[in-house]
Amino acid sequence: GENVEQHPSTLSVQEGDSAVIKCTYSDSASNYFPWYKQELGKGPQLIIDIRSNVGEKKDQRIAVTLNKTAKHFSLHITETQPEDSAVYFCAAMAWGKLQFGAGTQVVVTP
Amino acid sequence: SQTIHQWPATLVQPVGSPLSLECTVEGTSNPNLYWYRQAAGRGLQLLFYSVGIGQISSEVPQNLSASRPQDRQFILSSKKLLLSDSGFYLCAWSGSPIHQPQHFGDGTRLSIL
Repeated sequence: GENVEQHPSTLSVQEGDSAVIKCTYSDSASNYFPWYKQELGKGPQLIIDIRSNVGEKKDQRIAVTLNKTAKHFSLHITETQPEDSAVYFCAAMAWGKLQFGAGTQVVVTP
Repeated sequence: SQTIHQWPATLVQPVGSPLSLECTVEGTSNPNLYWYRQAAGRGLQLLFYSVGIGQISSEVPQNLSASRPQDRQFILSSKKLLLSDSGFYLCAWSGSPIHQPQHFGDGTRLSIL
């Protein structure tokens, strides 16, 4: 089955700096890659997603890139703000099933 | 717009007691429904999913079961809880066809004593 690895597990950034989270996947059949943000005590919220026929997608301060050849995809957050502090999960969908990474705790310090 | 509701938000149960967690979706019809468990500091593990009433697929053999008695209702159950059943349980829905985004509820924090 699909295996998704996510790095780093924790990430501290200064407010205004950029944050990058990287994920790799194993199943070449994966063709949908969502990213979720989870705040304490809440369910994960979809923040951006990308399909395998697209290499990059951007939504305001958030962007995702996909390299199908290398089987990795990344989340980029620019101009980080304290409200960006949360746990971020990547996921890859293969054969109709989503496989999640272990998550990245992002802390944005003022 | 679509909304998903889970209850209760928190639950403390003794070992050996039964369990029933409920999830309902509003604003859509014939959703795909999912139950996940999230262990502390870890990712999400898919437990069950359903593509229609009475249709349940189990991903992990365990002490839990799921049922879908109505189109927009998904229930997670157990006859006798184990200590290892503690965790954060999340319900999610997606539209059809597959590869549509999954949207999560706010979860149930289950503690087994």
